Amino acid sequence: AQKITQTQPGMFVQEKEAVTLDCTYDTSDQSYGLFWYKQPSSGEMIFLIYQGSYDEQNATEGRYSLNFQKARKSANLVISASQLGDSAMYFCAMREGFHSGNTPLVFGKGTRLSVIA
Amino acid sequence: NAGVTQTPKFQVLKTGQSMTLQCAQDMNHEYMSWYRQDPGMGLRLIHYSVGAGITDQGEVPNGYNVSRSTTEDFPLRLLSAAPSQTSVYFCASTYNRGSLGYTFGSGTRLTVV
Repeated sequence: AQKITQTQPGMFVQEKEAVTLDCTYDTSDQSYGLFWYKQPSSGEMIFLIYQGSYDEQNATEGRYSLNFQKARKSANLVISASQLGDSAMYFCAMREGFHSGNTPLVFGKGTRLSVIA
Repeated sequence: NAGVTQTPKFQVLKTGQSMTLQCAQDMNHEYMSWYRQDPGMGLRLIHYSVGAGITDQGEVPNGYNVSRSTTEDFPLRLLSAAPSQTSVYFCASTYNRGSLGYTFGSGTRLTVV
């Protein structure tokens, strides 16, 4: 079974609008970490934001915020005030058993975001 | 500059040839891993290592070998390349614990003909 599901293969958003990229995850661990990465057309992987399973507040990093709903096992990325430079592939990822370490990062299949002027 | 260095950036191999993709990091990260990225498949884990002398298989290990003789280096070996191994390969590293995101190399684009 897939551990990370991103149901939106592609999305369009108007410049300056907000957009939400969906991510659901599957784990039986109580301790885990959730990550979002951006991959622009140049190919590099850029870390955006992290949410720990024990964090009580949703993570925020500038224009990025993570809408963490633990009971629903969802970790949606919200990008506010979209910019043309936000056009990229976005990957959700999870690391289980986070506080004990030694576990790999598992990725979803990604969502391609296109920002329209 | 601190980071993860992957070489080469591009490579074309003939079926049956062998090669090693190099990965080195200078951040004293215990954890290193190799992923392959194929269209529509996201990043899939090939092998990973939690420290020198310790390696383990990921989701798609067949056709690949790794070793970790030092903390800094984690080479990926293709013993007999196949067209199915045409992909973009990423090396990534992090500490074994903590909230830091993984640091990724710039990737190696491999084509097997």
